[in-house]
Amino acid sequence: QQQVKQSPQSLIVQKGGISIINCAYENTAFDYFPWYQQFPGKGPALLIAIRPDVSEKKEGRFTISFNKSAKQFSLHIMDSQPGDSATYFCAARPISSGSARQLTFGSGTQLTVLP
Amino acid sequence: GAVVSQHPSWVICKSGTSVKIECRSLDFQATTMFWYRQFPKQSLMLMATSNEGSKATYEQGVEKDKFLINHASLTLSTLTVTSAHPEDSSFYICSARDLWEGPDTQYFGPGTRLTVL
Repeated sequence: QQQVKQSPQSLIVQKGGISIINCAYENTAFDYFPWYQQFPGKGPALLIAIRPDVSEKKEGRFTISFNKSAKQFSLHIMDSQPGDSATYFCAARPISSGSARQLTFGSGTQLTVLP
Repeated sequence: GAVVSQHPSWVICKSGTSVKIECRSLDFQATTMFWYRQFPKQSLMLMATSNEGSKATYEQGVEKDKFLINHASLTLSTLTVTSAHPEDSSFYICSARDLWEGPDTQYFGPGTRLTVL
């Protein structure tokens, strides 16, 4: 059962535009929501992350918006650049007492920014 | 920032052979390392969680006798794909959690592309 649903599957944006990727989680309580960027043939790299006690976090051109009541969070990339073309994954980490607390990943969004 | 390396970055092997993939935390100690598998254009699927000095915890559906994980030190975990078959061809990615930075940190390696002929 997929606990984190991500959309859209693919996204094409013109250079300078805003890219928006959405994620929703269900049923399970999570306390940490990171976004990862992955280029072809490379491992994911942490882009930005948020905790549920904050509704928005901004780092440069990247902003996470978090809606706790709706169990949704989204990534906004302002002034999108061709170099932002990559696959983006949202993730969530469950609240638990275990030491592992593995991340649950969304299905990924392939972003293409046209020059 | 913290760096996780993987070796090899890609490997091609014949069906039936075993392949070992190394995951190293280069500048930090990692009590917990994770192994993921990723098929083309798909998400990361957690295979197992390994803790230094203890047995790995495998996710449901992952054969522990086929995917042997050893986490012998705070900086090294290995994944051995035994008797590899073409369906094991995939992108294997490890990640490591910094002992001193807490559960929020999870640094990913660059991945290992395995092709089984």
